Amino acid sequence: SYVLTQPPSVSVAPGQTARITCGGNNIGSKSVHWYQQKPGQAPVLVVYDDSDRPSGIPERFSGSNSGNTATLTISRVEAGDEADYYCQVWDSSSDHPGVFGTGTKVTVL
Amino acid sequence: QVQLVQSGAEVKKPGASVKVSCKASGYTFTSYYMHWVRQAPGQGLEWMGIINPSGGSTSYAQKFQGRVTMTRDTSTSTVYMELSSLRSEDTAVYYCARSQNVDTAMSVHFDYWGQGTLVTVSS
Repeated sequence: SYVLTQPPSVSVAPGQTARITCGGNNIGSKSVHWYQQKPGQAPVLVVYDDSDRPSGIPERFSGSNSGNTATLTISRVEAGDEADYYCQVWDSSSDHPGVFGTGTKVTVL
Repeated sequence: QVQLVQSGAEVKKPGASVKVSCKASGYTFTSYYMHWVRQAPGQGLEWMGIINPSGGSTSYAQKFQGRVTMTRDTSTSTVYMELSSLRSEDTAVYYCARSQNVDTAMSVHFDYWGQGTLVTVSS
């Protein structure tokens, strides 16, 4: 089945920019979605279809996708952004179509 | 507003079965698919399978084939996930999550999630 690889952790100072990568074979040909999960809470969709934001998600959250890497960018990082982040694709040609990345813990210093 | 409300925490012995419910409200139940995703303690998200609330068709991840059954009750807008032959490795939080029609949507993502149900398997 399709594999998505993320760095285990990313650290960033408040006000700076955090970039979280999601690697997969030719991932640029797929639509990538990103979720934020805070401790004890359900995941929340923050970016879908590579770069679109659901209503209520700050413009500070943006996404891109090309080649073998998709990236979630969090600009002007705030303490409240500290969370786990997961990328996700739907691999319709697979018998295991729902695929999540390994997850990245974002720590705000 | 869209809400997915799941049943409460469960404690089960190895070999037993568990059935978790997810009651939907705030939208047309049969117009969106429902998925089940689980998360073991300290681990990542794992997709388990999907049900079409309209016709009841299902598709399960191979890992859970033979042990998982997803059903729905359109009269109460509720989907169910039953996992049998439980083992300690099944201890996890189980989430339901909504998506658009996977057969027609250009992409599939999970726009609303239930609050999660902790299932603990312990002797």
